[in-house]
Amino acid sequence: QSALTQPASVSGSPGQSITISCTGTSSDVGYFNYVSWFQQHPGKAPKLMIYEVTNRPSGVSNRFSGFKSGDTASLTISGLQAEDEADYYCLSYTRSSSVIFGGGTKLTVL
Amino acid sequence: QVHLVQSGSELKKPGASVKVSCKASGYTLTTYTMNWVRQAPGQGLEWMGWINTNTGTPTYAQDFAGRFVFSLDTSVNTAYLQISSLKTEDTAVYFCARGITRTKFDPWGQGTLVTVSS
Repeated sequence: QSALTQPASVSGSPGQSITISCTGTSSDVGYFNYVSWFQQHPGKAPKLMIYEVTNRPSGVSNRFSGFKSGDTASLTISGLQAEDEADYYCLSYTRSSSVIFGGGTKLTVL
Repeated sequence: QVHLVQSGSELKKPGASVKVSCKASGYTLTTYTMNWVRQAPGQGLEWMGWINTNTGTPTYAQDFAGRFVFSLDTSVNTAYLQISSLKTEDTAVYFCARGITRTKFDPWGQGTLVTVSS
């Protein structure tokens, strides 16, 4: 099964908003509301930022929000900060009872 | 506070085996599933599978059926990943991640670098 499709890179200036898309199919992203987003800084473990499409774990800034429409989920980061520069991965449950990651998106804060 | 602490880096020769540990603290291992994720150098995250920590039943992703084995020792609150017949392409960082729901992976271990080289 191929990875979910994410843009390889996105960029934005401090204070701006950016959105990262995650496109799957009607058998994964489009079928379930089990989509998570993870932030990974270089050399570090991934960190859960959004789960079940729109939910933020405690301790995660409300500048991070999630959304889904059809087969595409999105992560929006508002009020960009330098510390947001990292790789971001989406993850979806699938109808074959497995999970699949997106290819990852490198966020650059200009 | 919940933590997953993994064993240290490993350097192995092709054909050898390696066992990576993932010790849970702050909660009882059998309360949630445990997932394993691979990240090859410079690459993205790849889900390897998960283990039902109540029954010990593993489920492997398609690409990880065969040489990869998930196991548990509930007496020490620890999950394990064993890889046999190592290949150079197994060189990667391996993460464990607690599965609260199907995709709510939190927290993650710090990762274990396994290097396979002759």
